[in-house]
Amino acid sequence: EAQVTQNPRYLITVTGKKLTVTCSQNMNHEYMSWYRQDPGLGLRQIYYSMNVEVTDKGDVPEGYKVSRKEKRNFPLILESPSPNQTSLYFCASSSGLEFYNEQFFGPGTRLTVL
Amino acid sequence: GESVGLHLPTLSVQEGDNSIINCAYSNSASDYFIWYKQESGKGPQFIIDIRSNMDKRQGQRVTVLLNKTVKHLSLQIAATQPGDSAVYFCAEKLTFGGGTRVLVKP
Repeated sequence: EAQVTQNPRYLITVTGKKLTVTCSQNMNHEYMSWYRQDPGLGLRQIYYSMNVEVTDKGDVPEGYKVSRKEKRNFPLILESPSPNQTSLYFCASSSGLEFYNEQFFGPGTRLTVL
Repeated sequence: GESVGLHLPTLSVQEGDNSIINCAYSNSASDYFIWYKQESGKGPQFIIDIRSNMDKRQGQRVTVLLNKTVKHLSLQIAATQPGDSAVYFCAEKLTFGGGTRVLVKP
């Protein structure tokens, strides 16, 4: 089944404790991205990647890091999480480099930073 | 910068009626729009898209209308069903609006 998977689905952590949220897709997609979703703000893009070893900042990159060592994986790293990073996070992938390609979203990771 | 916004945070509709969800955008150069549906506990799912060289596009029970003059687009859902209850987002390429929650009353 074609899908985007994220782990963990739920995470409660404390300020300053480094964490990684994994994202994997099995569709051989080149384009991957991370979003955060907050009430009333819709989805805001954190980082995106056009291909392996190519990553770029989205609209809200502060406090986050990503890496793209393999085509299928695009982990999101919070080196020192803070309470304002409490949010619902989505990973997405699409087949092409053009924006006209449909994005497939993962199920989401709900993060709480205390 | 670019912005995309929906007009109403919540829309309550009777089962069987048609739903209309509205969205406005600010950038007159925008050329591609997408509507997503997000059910509770799930990620957004693509519904339908439209390019700026079109005014209307139809899918199964859904129609998107684009009015470039007033920078407005809408999603119409025909004969709304309980399974249509969700949050709907319009997006201009990768920029999302705030979402409209559609509640279907039996």
